[in-house]
Amino acid sequence: AQSVAQPEDQVNVAEGNPLTVKCTYSVSGNPYLFWYVQYPNRGLQFLLKYITGDNLVKGSYGFEAEFNKSQTSFHLKKPSALVSDSALYFCAVRDISNFGNEKLTFGTGTRLTIIP
Amino acid sequence: DAGVIQSPRHEVTEMGQEVTLRCKPISGHDYLFWYRQTMMRGLELLIYFNNNVPIDDSGMPEDRFSAKMPNASFSTLKIQPSEPRDSAVYFCASSLTGQVMAQHFGDGTRLSIL
Repeated sequence: AQSVAQPEDQVNVAEGNPLTVKCTYSVSGNPYLFWYVQYPNRGLQFLLKYITGDNLVKGSYGFEAEFNKSQTSFHLKKPSALVSDSALYFCAVRDISNFGNEKLTFGTGTRLTIIP
Repeated sequence: DAGVIQSPRHEVTEMGQEVTLRCKPISGHDYLFWYRQTMMRGLELLIYFNNNVPIDDSGMPEDRFSAKMPNASFSTLKIQPSEPRDSAVYFCASSLTGQVMAQHFGDGTRLSIL
């Protein structure tokens, strides 16, 4: 089984400050991990992914995420928040130990609000 | 490049009517996914296809829901008969196997059943 937890429904950050959106996962084997962003009335847009290798992954719009196997976490970060970063963020996991499994399991989402 | 295209963008219909949602995946992608998003349940995977063949439909809520993929460039999700609790945003996504490609989402169909 594969699952994802996003413990915060809402995160508020002042513009220019660093931001973190938290995600923890559970899989039987090894994970592929993803972050997506959703703007109002739009579909989810891919931000970044962790497959293997360097634990720090860089993605679109200046976002990065750090894979921590011991803590089973994949937190999304950005050094300096912009008002335009305000959106709904989803973490997703896929258990690659399950051969042929293409299913992504999404978290419940975190609404990020950047305060001017 | 054109992304995943869904139609209609909005659908309002009365309870008991048949509803058909349509999706055109990105050309060349061999996986297609149907999701439903609600405030209460979040984002749920309904069914997914590989090379036009349904692989996992365990998320389809009940027999009122059916999905088809007659060819590589078209899929439908049908609800018959529709009920108010089916009101949600339905997303289609596609991906390409073998390269751990991310799923690419359409902009969804907002369905309201009165």
